[in-house]
Amino acid sequence: KAGVTQTPRYLIKTRGQQVTLSCSPISGHRSVSWYQQTPGQGLQFLFEYFSETQRNKGNFPGRFSGRQFSNSRSEMNVSTLELGDSALYLCASSLQTGGNYGYTFGSGTRLTVV
Amino acid sequence: AQSVTQLDSHVSVSEGTPVLLRCNYSSSYSPSLFWYVQHPNKGLQLLLKYTSAATLVKGINGFEAEFKKSETSFHLTKPSAHMSDAAEYFCVVSDRNSGTYKYIFGTGTRLKVLA
Repeated sequence: KAGVTQTPRYLIKTRGQQVTLSCSPISGHRSVSWYQQTPGQGLQFLFEYFSETQRNKGNFPGRFSGRQFSNSRSEMNVSTLELGDSALYLCASSLQTGGNYGYTFGSGTRLTVV
Repeated sequence: AQSVTQLDSHVSVSEGTPVLLRCNYSSSYSPSLFWYVQHPNKGLQLLLKYTSAATLVKGINGFEAEFKKSETSFHLTKPSAHMSDAAEYFCVVSDRNSGTYKYIFGTGTRLKVLA
C-alpha cells in the first residue's frame, strides 16, 4: 500500500512569505503528526491531529498552524516566514493517536527560507 | 517529564562487526520506546518498538533492542554490520502528558560502517 506522501519535496521561499505543506497519510490512518528537523535542534514535535481535531501541540509560535480534513489528509501552514524556519518538515501517520502504535513517516518537505 | 539521551553522536564500526547504539530514557511511568533509522534525504523508518511486552525486541534488518528498567536503557544492537546500515538512528520515548501523547526524540547517532 502507498506510504505517507508529502508535497512538495522542496520549497524555496522568501522571508515574510507564507507556505503550506501537504501530507497524505497511509490509507486508514487517522492520526497525523508534524515534526520539524534542523541540524541544531534535531527533531521537534509540532502538532498532532486525529479525526480533524488537534490533539497535541509542541512549543512553536502561533505562526505554525495545521489542519486535518475529513479524509485524514493534513496541511501545515507557516506564516511570516523567518530564516530560522528553514528545515526538513516531516509528517507521520498512525492508526490511532497516542504513539504506542508507531508512526510511519513521509520523506519530508525541505523548506529553505532566503 | 519524559526524556531520552543517546550517549554517542557518532559510532564507527567495520563491516561484519557488531553494532551497539546506546539510549537511556527518563520516564515517570512505564514508557513506550522506539528506534527509528533515517537514511540521507529520507524520512524515518521504524526499526522496532517496545510497548511493555517482551523486554527483548526484535526489529527489521537484524536489529534488536533490550528494555532494561533497572538501568533505564534501551540499547540497539546488531550482530554484524552491513554497509547499508550506515545512517542516522533515533531513540524515541512516547511521552504521555494529560492523557495525550507525543514523541520525544533523542539527538541521534550517526552510524558509519567501514569497508
